[in-house]
Amino acid sequence: EAQVTQNPRYLITVTGKKLTVTCSQNMNHEYMSWYRQDPGLGLRQIYYSMNVEVTDKGDVPEGYKVSRKEKRNFPLILESPSPNQTSLYFCASSTGGIEKLFFGSGTQLSVL
Amino acid sequence: QKEVEQNSGPLSVPEGAIASLNCTYSDRGSQSFFWYRQYSGKSPELIMFIYSNGDKEDGRFTAQLNKASQYVSLLIRDSQPSDSATYLCAGQGGKLIFGQGTELSVKP
Repeated sequence: EAQVTQNPRYLITVTGKKLTVTCSQNMNHEYMSWYRQDPGLGLRQIYYSMNVEVTDKGDVPEGYKVSRKEKRNFPLILESPSPNQTSLYFCASSTGGIEKLFFGSGTQLSVL
Repeated sequence: QKEVEQNSGPLSVPEGAIASLNCTYSDRGSQSFFWYRQYSGKSPELIMFIYSNGDKEDGRFTAQLNKASQYVSLLIRDSQPSDSATYLCAGQGGKLIFGQGTELSVKP
């Protein structure tokens, strides 16, 4: 089944404790992206990647890191999480453009 | 700041009625527009996209684009309770910008 897999689904952590949210897609998509979703603000792009070893900042990259060492994986790293990073995070992928994004099931992150 | 604006709602319509969801955008360079549906607690899924001025129909859904007015809409005919969800409008003009979403509630 074609899908984007994110883990974990829920995560509660404390300020400053490094964490990684994993994202993997099995559709051989070149484009992958991370979004955060907050009430009243919609989906905002954090980082995106057009291909392996190619990443770029989205609209809200501060406090986040990404890497794209393999085509299928695009982890999101929070080196020192803060409470304002409490949010619902989505990973998404598409064939090459952004015409049709396939979203993962989301990660609800709470930073205490 | 290039923006896509939607009424946050909630928009409530009775079952069988037409639901009209609206979206305006500020970037005149935007070429393509997308409607995603997001059920509560779920991820967004693409339901319609439109590139050209005018209407595009797919089953009970019709997307409308007016580039002169910078306006995009989604009409849902014969609304069903299963259409109750948040609908996200997105515009692409180099990058994809999402609106904040409109919550639709279809009452039986």
